[in-house]
Amino acid sequence: DVKVTQSSRYLVKRTGEKVFLECVQDMDHENMFWYRQDPGLGLRLIYFSYDVKMKEKGDIPEGYSVSREKKERFSLILESASTNQTSMYLCASSYPTSRNEQFFGPGTRLTVL
Amino acid sequence: AQKVTQAQTEISVVEKEDVTLDCVYETRDTTYYLFWYKQPPSGELVFLIRRNSFDEQNEISGRYSWNFQKSTSSFNFTITASQVVDSAVYFCALSEAVDFQKLVFGTGTRLLVSP
Repeated sequence: DVKVTQSSRYLVKRTGEKVFLECVQDMDHENMFWYRQDPGLGLRLIYFSYDVKMKEKGDIPEGYSVSREKKERFSLILESASTNQTSMYLCASSYPTSRNEQFFGPGTRLTVL
Repeated sequence: AQKVTQAQTEISVVEKEDVTLDCVYETRDTTYYLFWYKQPPSGELVFLIRRNSFDEQNEISGRYSWNFQKSTSSFNFTITASQVVDSAVYFCALSEAVDFQKLVFGTGTRLLVSP
């Protein structure tokens, strides 16, 4: 079974802190994605990566950065957390083929105080 | 631009009722893919189905069925004889051939099935 794991299920941070959200997948997927999920807004793509060291901005990249040093790991970084970044963060991975269903992790619920 | 609309924010049904979740999409591409995902209370999205734009055949999988109609740009999802375990948020999503690896999600429909 494909497994996507995220480092924390719940996280509480203070405004201005640097926050790292980690995602690891064990299926050798080339593609990895970070989304945030907010009520009434669905899932919105923050950043994605189609290969190691590669990253692309999604629809809402402001205030975030990412790192992909190894194929299995994709990190989301909040350089200076703000209260409007309180959200559920979901990581996903997929193969780069037409069978492009994404496999999701359990999510990290981040609260910024 | 691509867009997915799930107009139903929340639906409540009683067990054994049939329920249909609506999904309307917009795209300029002639080649695209449509998806449904289920997000149970545990939070992890679970893939349910993928259809490509050239395959308009309806699909049935157990109590689940999907109705794809290009004429109305809709990809609706029906659960027959709903069960409490079907309670979840359901997302419809679209990817276009220009970058089929990226998904655009609708806002989701929360389904509550009560005993």
